[in-house]
Formats: sequence, C-alpha cells, structure tokens
Amino acid sequence: GENVEQHPSTLSVQEGDSAVIKCTYSDSASNYFPWYKQELGKRPQLIIDIRSNVGEKKDQRIAVTLNKTAKHFSLHITETQPEDSAVYFCAAWGGGSYIPTFGRGTSLIVHP
Amino acid sequence: DVKVTQSSRYLVKRTGEKVFLECVQDMDHENMFWYRQDPGLGLRLIYFSYDVKMKEKGDIPEGYSVSREKKERFSLILESASTNQTSMYLCASGRETQYFGPGTRLLVL
Repeated sequence: GENVEQHPSTLSVQEGDSAVIKCTYSDSASNYFPWYKQELGKRPQLIIDIRSNVGEKKDQRIAVTLNKTAKHFSLHITETQPEDSAVYFCAAWGGGSYIPTFGRGTSLIVHP
Repeated sequence: DVKVTQSSRYLVKRTGEKVFLECVQDMDHENMFWYRQDPGLGLRLIYFSYDVKMKEKGDIPEGYSVSREKKERFSLILESASTNQTSMYLCASGRETQYFGPGTRLLVL
C-alpha cells in the first residue's frame, strides 16, 4: 500500500519568513495530493491540493509543488503570519485506491 | 457548506464499557471514514465505508467495529473500551476532499 513520509515534524519560524513542508510517497499510481490545516482544537480543513498532471499550484500565500519523478510534493507558505500556526497534514491517494494515506503532520509555529 | 457532525465532543467511559460514536453528514457522500488522531502519529484510518452496509478495515481496526445503516450516518463502536483507546476520534466524509467532523475526545478510565 501507499506510504507517506512528512518532514519536518515541527517547524518554528519568525513572522514574515517562509515555511516549507515536504512529503514523499511510495505509490507511483497516486494522483491526488491534498494538504490539510488543523488549528488547535479544530477540525482539519483542506487548504490546497494538486493533481499529478500539474507541477505547481498557488493560492495567495500558499503553494504546492509536485515532483512525480522523485515522488515528493511540498507545501510552501510565504510571509508567514501567527494565524498560520497549526498542524499541517499531507495526503496521497488515487490510482485505484479510494482511501487517502496521511502523513504524520507538521506542527508549524510562527513567532510574532 | 458541507456539514459533518459528531454525537459528542467529549466522552468519559470506564474500561469494559461499550461505546458508540456517531457521525452524520448532510452532503449525500458515499464515502465515510473513521480516524484516530494521536500526537506524533497523525491520522490513522480505523474503518471506512463506501456505501450503505458496506465497510472495509483500515490500518487499525482491532477493538473497533462500525455500522452504516443509512447513507448519512456512520457509527464507530468500541465493543469493550480499553485505556489504550483513549484518543481523539475524527469522522470524515467525501470522495477526494475529506470533510471532517469536529472530533470526539474519548477518555477511558
């Protein structure tokens, strides 16, 4: 089955810095890669996703890049703000599987 | 807006009790999921269902069972609660995008 590794587990940055979280996956048939944000005490919510036919996708300060050859995808947050502090989860699925495999999460702390 | 609700936000049970966690979604999704969330372990899939009365085991089904009698409702059952089942339980529904419920924090004493 699919295996997703997510790094780092904790990321601490100063407000205004950029943050990058990377996930690697094992199943080359996976074709859908969402990212979820979970603020403290709240439910995870989708913030951005990318499909295997696209290399990069942006939405304001966040972007996701996908390298199919290397089987990794990354979340980029620019100009970080304290409200970006949360746990971020990546996931991979598709290619015949109808269940996602999640990474273990990254706790992002943005210091004012 | 998709709404996924869970029957309880917090629950305290005794070892050996039978525990029911209920999840309801209002978007006519065929797929529903139960996850367990523990610090450092991320989201681990317990069971999922892709249709009424259909269920499949996830990564950690031991000690759990599920029921899906109606499309909008997916229940997680702990037949005999144990202390190692103390955790946050998240329900989700959806095809690719997962819509999560608010979670149930279960404490088993």
